[in-house]
Amino acid sequence: GNSVTQMEGPVTLSEEAFLTINCTYTATGYPSLFWYVQYPGEGLQLLLKATKADDKGSNKGFEATYRKETTSFHLEKGSVQVSDSAVYFCALKSSGTYKYIFGTGTRLKVLA
Amino acid sequence: GAGVSQTPSNKVTEKGKYVELRCDPISGHTALYWYRQSLGQGPEFLIYFQGTGAADDSGLPNDRFFAVRPEGSVSTLKIQRTERGDSAVYLCASSLEAGGNEQFFGPGTRLTVL
Repeated sequence: GNSVTQMEGPVTLSEEAFLTINCTYTATGYPSLFWYVQYPGEGLQLLLKATKADDKGSNKGFEATYRKETTSFHLEKGSVQVSDSAVYFCALKSSGTYKYIFGTGTRLKVLA
Repeated sequence: GAGVSQTPSNKVTEKGKYVELRCDPISGHTALYWYRQSLGQGPEFLIYFQGTGAADDSGLPNDRFFAVRPEGSVSTLKIQRTERGDSAVYLCASSLEAGGNEQFFGPGTRLTVL
């Protein structure tokens, strides 16, 4: 069945450090891929998405590229801020379906 | 309101009791989804509504769980004879259309079964 695997946290970085959170997936066909973020005390928010191979999603300095050959969608940011501290979820939605399949989440803590 | 709202934000109940969790989707969104998020896990799909009908309830864990959306807007998730294992955050999401590529999530209801 379809699944998403993301790196375990927590990830602790200093401000302005480079961030990578790994995400790989298993799915038939060509799923859409997402990163959602959950800030403390808030609901899940869409951070970025990509709907086909080689697409790059980007938002707020975060980027992720849909790599079909490696079935990956790694999240990156060149310089993190304290305000980026949150839990990040990778998710997929198979074509023709409507339900998301989420990874277990990765907690990021950025220190000043 | 501007976003998806859920009430209550927290619910504490005793084993065996009945609970109802409410979701108000974004106005005009036809599709509504319920997910359950256990501690340390990602959200897991429970049920999906298109309009008033449940188009897919394959994620409901057993027949103690039931959800309705009688007028195609507000939805209620109902849990009978609650068990301690039902403790989780219940998330509601909506999207403009069925299969829409962005689901907007509410803040969730944290259910604790003692």
